Amino acid sequence: QVQLQESGPGLVKPSETLSLTCTVSGDSVGRYYWGWLRRPPGKGLEWIGHLYYSSARPTYNPSLKSRLTISVDRSTDQVSLRLSSVTAADTAMYFCVRVDRLNFDHYYFDLWGAGTPVTVSS
Amino acid sequence: EVVLTQSPGTLSLSPGEPATLSCRASQSVSNNFLSWYQQMPGQAPRLLIFGASNRANGIPQRFSGSGFGADFSLTISRLEPEDFAVYFCHQYGSSPWTFGQGTKVEI
Repeated sequence: QVQLQESGPGLVKPSETLSLTCTVSGDSVGRYYWGWLRRPPGKGLEWIGHLYYSSARPTYNPSLKSRLTISVDRSTDQVSLRLSSVTAADTAMYFCVRVDRLNFDHYYFDLWGAGTPVTVSS
Repeated sequence: EVVLTQSPGTLSLSPGEPATLSCRASQSVSNNFLSWYQQMPGQAPRLLIFGASNRANGIPQRFSGSGFGADFSLTISRLEPEDFAVYFCHQYGSSPWTFGQGTKVEI
């Protein structure tokens, strides 16, 4: 059974860089897209971005693109997120997701991690 | 950005009754690339519908999706006890992908 487990610091200071790791167990990161979503307190889900396992060209939310790096490490089966210059608006529950496709065009999230909370505060 | 507004926020119904959930977009969803997910308490979301009207593998026939352009619906023909959950829509037709805030179907 494939599982995703997010890890990272629960608290980050404003202006610093948030780094999260998602460890994939039960399978390798090959053949899929991998990405991140977040849910700020009291709000709906927000798509952060995703990346095909063998691609160097991720797809990012334009509102985060200038601060964001998502990468996939095939040697360790891990997916990483780095978000620089964080502010209180980046406080959220962060979810690692596997993104699959149906009929070539229809992207969907078929596996989710349990999520890891991140608070941005001094 | 395509803003998705779901209504109602909460739907109070009984088993056996039909349920209709709405998802309205602030602009036309490209190629009708809209999906619906079901989330049970403590569980990860599950894909129900993709491409506005296509049932995902293993999804019971009582779930159906309809709509086009900016107006979409999820219909559950007869609610089963396990259908009481939160449902949210997601558009993947244009960047950034966006989500509705969810509709809770409760007994």
